[in-house]
Amino acid sequence: GENVEQHPSTLSVQEGDSAVIKCTYSDSASNYFPWYKQELGKRPQLIIDIRSNVGEKKDQRIAVTLNKTAKHFSLHITETQPEDSAVYFCAASMVRADGLTFGKGTHLIIQP
Amino acid sequence: NAGVTQTPKFQVLKTGQSMTLQCAQDMNHNSMYWYRQDPGMGLRLIYYSASEGTTDKGEVPNGYNVSRLNKREFSLRLESAAPSQTSVYFCASSELQGRAPLHFGNGTRLTVT
Repeated sequence: GENVEQHPSTLSVQEGDSAVIKCTYSDSASNYFPWYKQELGKRPQLIIDIRSNVGEKKDQRIAVTLNKTAKHFSLHITETQPEDSAVYFCAASMVRADGLTFGKGTHLIIQP
Repeated sequence: NAGVTQTPKFQVLKTGQSMTLQCAQDMNHNSMYWYRQDPGMGLRLIYYSASEGTTDKGEVPNGYNVSRLNKREFSLRLESAAPSQTSVYFCASSELQGRAPLHFGNGTRLTVT
């Protein structure tokens, strides 16, 4: 089955700086790559996703890049703010019934 | 429009007790899922249902059973709870299996003593 590796497990950045979280996946048939943000005690919520026919996608301060050849994708957050502090999960899936395979998460800490 | 609703929010069980976690969605989604979340382990798939009337095992199905009661409802049952099942359980639904975002419920925090 699919295996998703996520790095780093903890990331601390100064407010206003950029943050980058990286994921690799194992199955070249995967073609859907969402990112979720989870605040403490809350449910995961989708922040951005990308499909395999696209190399990059942006939404305001958030961007995701995908390199299908290398089987990795990254989340970029620019001009970080205190409310960006959370755990971020990457995930991957193929077009089939068994849902998403998640990375183990990155705890992003924004230092004032 | 409530999205995905899970009950209960919290539960404490003794080893060997049974319980059912309830989940309902009002988005007319075909696919529904149960995940468990443990510290440092991310979210792991327990069972899923691609459509009404079908269920399949995920990555960690041992000790659990599921029922897709109708298109809206997907329940998770622990027949004989064990301390290893202490976790946060999330139900989720999706419009298109494997190609669309998961919408999560608020979770059930289960402790087995």
